[in-house]
Amino acid sequence: DAGVIQSPRHEVTEMGQEVTLRCKPISGHNSLFWYRQTMMRGLELLIYFNNNVPIDDSGMPEDRFSAKMPNASFSTLKIQPSEPRDSAVYFCASSSQDYSNEQFFGPGTRLTVL
Amino acid sequence: GENVEQHPSTLSVQEGDSAVIKCTYSDSASNYFPWYKQELGKGPQLIIDIRSNVGEKKDQRIAVTLNKTAKHFSLHITETQPEDSAVYFCAARSGGGKLIFGQGTELSVKP
Repeated sequence: DAGVIQSPRHEVTEMGQEVTLRCKPISGHNSLFWYRQTMMRGLELLIYFNNNVPIDDSGMPEDRFSAKMPNASFSTLKIQPSEPRDSAVYFCASSSQDYSNEQFFGPGTRLTVL
Repeated sequence: GENVEQHPSTLSVQEGDSAVIKCTYSDSASNYFPWYKQELGKGPQLIIDIRSNVGEKKDQRIAVTLNKTAKHFSLHITETQPEDSAVYFCAARSGGGKLIFGQGTELSVKP
């Protein structure tokens, strides 16, 4: 298996633009997690899906952030409009059960908002 | 909610020495404690985990200990090698099910 796939790996955009990050979880995994990593705040869980349904989105910073999982093999995290403080590395992870089992992380998307 | 504190933030050891990273947690209901290794430009990767019904777990050069009474757990790496250099994160799964991560320890193993 190729592991969790994320795209793009790097994104540079200007403040106010829309940004869409993409994730393909490991085949057969039914849980998907979006994390944000910054020096100041470390690794933070943004949202968690189970069987394509959002279960916990309490970590989503504000209404500018939205996430979807239209099917078991694809998820998006969208920021609209983007702001410089959104600059971070965004990770997608998947696991075969809810929070119980190991989470496999993707390589991340490094987002820079100018 | 759960809060995880990790120390030290940086650790430098000579090749062959041991390295110890310590974490404390606040939620007594937490029952799962994984450790992740993150290499530069990559996502975190699970290296070992321990559940609350076990006090110690070992996998080759890596071991983790858990003290539920004191609410702390530690990662021990013996016979360190340069390829052990990375950022290590502890985490605790709170009663609500989320993984709460520590701030990370940057380990440097000098040849």
